[in-house]
Amino acid sequence: EILLTQSPGTLSLSPGERATLSCRASQTLDRNSLAWYQQKPGQTPRLLIYDASSRATGIPDRFSGSGSGTDFTLTINRLEPEDFALYYCQQYGSSFSFGPGTKVDI
Amino acid sequence: EVQLLESGGGLIQPGGSLRLSCVGSGFTINNDAMSWVRQAPGKGLEWISSISGRTYGTHYADSVKGRFTLSRDISKNMVYLQMNSLRADDTALYYCAKVVRWNQIFDAFDMWGQGTMVTVSS
Repeated sequence: EILLTQSPGTLSLSPGERATLSCRASQTLDRNSLAWYQQKPGQTPRLLIYDASSRATGIPDRFSGSGSGTDFTLTINRLEPEDFALYYCQQYGSSFSFGPGTKVDI
Repeated sequence: EVQLLESGGGLIQPGGSLRLSCVGSGFTINNDAMSWVRQAPGKGLEWISSISGRTYGTHYADSVKGRFTLSRDISKNMVYLQMNSLRADDTALYYCAKVVRWNQIFDAFDMWGQGTMVTVSS
């Protein structure tokens, strides 16, 4: 089973700042099979990024993903008020697993 | 509106059974690999099962293997999660999800339902 760790656990920022979230896999992910999701309280997860760096349909370009192998990053440029939420990474290179999440709050 | 709709959740005693359903509304899910992901109250996301679009091959997390069975009915555009021998730690909101690329069972999920709550308690 591939384990994912996310850091930091909580990121305290202000609107307009840049958020950098990290996700590390316990093994190399085939085909950079890593996705990022955003979840707000009481809402379903929303796909932001797949294949490590491809933005999902309708996702603003202030969201970007990078990385390969075992280390991946989600960057949110110029935080908007609606971006304060919980973010999960997920690997699908070998079955599935999710990271524990990073909370981005004000 | 194109969406996934889950149903079948509820309060069930330990050891009991429930069947969850997921239907594609406004579109067909018959060719897509489909998955179930659950989220216990206040906790993170846990993948539990997937079914492929063509071969109907299934995959399960160790936590549910041997207790849960995933199937699909193409005539009804639905997938079903049969849950047996339920335990207190199965209590969660259960989401149905669709993959980005229809022909890949292991893929990111680009559409999620609103979820159906399962509570296992005596």
